[in-house]
Amino acid sequence: DTAVSQTPKYLVTQMGNDKSIKCEQNLGHDTMYWYKQDSKKFLKIMFSYNNKELIINETVPNRFSPKSPDKAHLNLHINSLELGDSAVYFCASSQDGPLRGEKLFFGSGTQLSVL
Amino acid sequence: GEDVEQSLFLSVREGDSSVINCTYTDSSSTYLYWYKQEPGAGLQLLTYIFSNMDMKQDQRLTVLLNKKDKHLSLRIADTQTGDSAIYFCAEGAMFSGGYNKLIFGAGTRLAVHP
Repeated sequence: DTAVSQTPKYLVTQMGNDKSIKCEQNLGHDTMYWYKQDSKKFLKIMFSYNNKELIINETVPNRFSPKSPDKAHLNLHINSLELGDSAVYFCASSQDGPLRGEKLFFGSGTQLSVL
Repeated sequence: GEDVEQSLFLSVREGDSSVINCTYTDSSSTYLYWYKQEPGAGLQLLTYIFSNMDMKQDQRLTVLLNKKDKHLSLRIADTQTGDSAIYFCAEGAMFSGGYNKLIFGAGTRLAVHP
């Protein structure tokens, strides 16, 4: 059984479109994250939610809007896609929460290509 | 500032030991981590070390921490072709509000050849 699953795995779209990536975890974790990995494999946190509440919001354009309907789901909606948004987006979750050591469980990634 | 640095590439022969090095900047980091990423997959936690430890061994993996120099290393004994992957070092950095977040290095691509 997949612990952290995200869909779609691949997303190819035109500049200016709006798209969503979905993430679900069945581990019972309280904290979920979105990370962006660029073409050089550099991985950077975008958002973190703890029990459906936003706790980390890095300097991400407000075209990116995360939504957590419950603590098992964290979706990412992107408006007006730009070429620079092309990357692999990883969802992750952790049991320990933000105040202690975080052992993250990652999804397999969504490769977004903006043409 | 927050910065984690690692060398980008390492090539080893099958059966040899691999040593991947990392330096970090946040001396308040409580935990330091090693993650592995295989092609087309997400990151997988390999091991982690608490900041008051110098060494942690887990089967073929040995983690060494030099807190004074803010240097972390991962040694893989008897490296196999299945160990070929990208290895990420990460530190837990304090965020505003008392929360932790992970800061990742750029990853070291390990290539194992016969």
